[in-house]
Formats: sequence, C-alpha cells, structure tokens
Amino acid sequence: DGGITQSPKYLFRKEGQNVTLSCEQNLNHDAMYWYRQDPGQGLRLIYYSQIVNDFQKGDIAEGYSVSREKKESFPLTVTSAQKNPTAFYLCASIGQSYFYGYTFGSGTRLTVV
Amino acid sequence: QKEVEQDPGPLSVPEGAIVSLNCTYSNSAFQYFMWYRQYSRKGPELLMYTYSSGNKEDGRFTAQVDKSSKYISLFIRDSQPSDSATYLCAMRNSGNTPLVFGKGTRLSVIA
Repeated sequence: DGGITQSPKYLFRKEGQNVTLSCEQNLNHDAMYWYRQDPGQGLRLIYYSQIVNDFQKGDIAEGYSVSREKKESFPLTVTSAQKNPTAFYLCASIGQSYFYGYTFGSGTRLTVV
Repeated sequence: QKEVEQDPGPLSVPEGAIVSLNCTYSNSAFQYFMWYRQYSRKGPELLMYTYSSGNKEDGRFTAQVDKSSKYISLFIRDSQPSDSATYLCAMRNSGNTPLVFGKGTRLSVIA
C-alpha cells in the first residue's frame, strides 16, 4: 500500500544531541513537508521541499535542518540549537494534484530527557 | 492577528447531536479549504475539501465556505462516539503554497 512512513514512533534526545527523524513516501509525490505539533498550538510548518535538492524554510525553521537527496525521502534533523524540541512531528506529502490535500505520516513523538 | 483562528474547545456533545466547528481567516487570497480529522497520537486524515465558496456534503459531514465573511464551517450530523477526535481546518491560496492550519478543536461525543 502507498503511504508515508515516519520512524521512529518515539524518540528520546539528551541535551546537546542532534537527532534525525525519518520520513519516507512511496506515493511518487513531489512535495514534502515537516510540521511540528504542540498542545494547543496546531500544526506549524518547519521546512518544505517541492523538488529534489531544493527546500524552503517554514515559520519555525530555527534549530532544524533537512535534506532532499531523493524524491522518496525527506529527513528532519533536530539540532542542539533547538531549545525546546519536545513535540509531535508530522511529515506530509502531496502529489501533482493539489486538489487532494496532504497525506500525513503517523508522526514521531520526540522527548528531551 | 493570526492567519487562521479556530476555537480549540474542548467541545463535548451527546451522541446524535449536530456539531458545528468553525474557523475564521484573514488572508483573502485563500481559495482552497480543508478539514482534517486527527485521532489521538495519529497523523491527520483529510475529511473534507472545498474550493472557493459554497457547500459540500459527504454523508454526515457538510463543509461550508463563506469567503465574503472569511469564515468556514464543518457540520457533523448524528454525531457518533467514533467522531471523537481533534478537527483541524486548513487552507491555502493558489499555486504550490503550503497549507496553513488552525489550532484544532477537540471534540468528544458522549454515548
């Protein structure tokens, strides 16, 4: 079945560590997105990519980095510069027809320990 | 003023009630309007999609867009306990711009 796979489901980070969240899709979608979700905050855009080897900052990009070396993959690195990384992270993608909205992954819950 | 405003609730209703969820927005360029449903600790799933103004119905769900008032609504008829979730409105303008989401409204339908 086609879809978006996020891994791991749960991730724990120590202070000062960089961690990478995986996002893989087999939908042949061009555009991919990373959102952060905090209680009462809704979804806030971190980074997005509309084509391989190109990506743009969203509203809250500070302390995060991404790469898009393959169409199927859009990993997100949470760096030590992100002072409050504890949140639920969602990856999404969309194909040529924007009519259908995003397809979301099941999310990664990151906790600082 | 935030681009998209949505009352976070929580909203609690008895089974069988009609539920009304709403969002207001400030960007008059928004043309595509969506409602997503998110169960606890899961990714959101697309529920309804509307382009420009008007109504759209799908089973127990009706989405309305009033661009003149910059106001969108989702109605759920004959609500069921399985409808208990967080409902997120989302919208964007034309082209390839990212969706802008509301904060989500948490709904509980009590049997």
